[in-house]
Amino acid sequence: AQSVTQLDSQVPVFEEAPVELRCNYSSSVSVYLFWYVQYPNQGLQLLLKYLSGSTLVKGINGFEAEFNKSQTSFHLRKPSVHISDTAEYFCAVCRDTGRRALTFGSGTRLQVQP
Amino acid sequence: SQTIHQWPATLVQPVGSPLSLECTVEGTSNPNLYWYRQAAGRGLQLLFYSVGIGQISSEVPQNLSASRPQDRQFILSSKKLLLSDSGFYLCAWTGRGDTQYFGPGTRLTVL
Repeated sequence: AQSVTQLDSQVPVFEEAPVELRCNYSSSVSVYLFWYVQYPNQGLQLLLKYLSGSTLVKGINGFEAEFNKSQTSFHLRKPSVHISDTAEYFCAVCRDTGRRALTFGSGTRLQVQP
Repeated sequence: SQTIHQWPATLVQPVGSPLSLECTVEGTSNPNLYWYRQAAGRGLQLLFYSVGIGQISSEVPQNLSASRPQDRQFILSSKKLLLSDSGFYLCAWTGRGDTQYFGPGTRLTVL
């Protein structure tokens, strides 16, 4: 089984500042890794994903994440945030074979302040 | 392009009443379909997934059930709702690829 830990439930940050949202995972098998964003009362939108290859992946809205196998981490970063980035961010993993059901972290609320 | 629909968007139901939430996918065939629930202030929990018509796997024991009567239709049901069934219900699909795409969700409040 897989598990995902998002250590920060809330991250306040000022506009135009950099931000990092942390994600650690546990799995006995190879996994795919994802970051999703959820705006209030909406479904989840895929930000980026890691399947294989380069450990630095770039996504939409200027976000990027780095896969670190030795530390079992997949932290999300953005060099300069905007007010519109205020949302809930979820890290998720799934096995690279089989039914591909996602295991989610508990989410991190990013609050961008002016 | 593929789209996923969920309805209703919002639902308020009394305890003990039945439930039926519907999810449909357009623009793809034979998708894998998933139901997730997001309780207030918590992450998402996988409830059911389906790899084909009539094929349902349940992830957690509960008073909910799921059915897939057609290739691109996935229904979440309950005979008698509990207060603890309140939450945000999300449907998702995958095709041959590795990414799950989510619907807009249904906000269920059980009073």
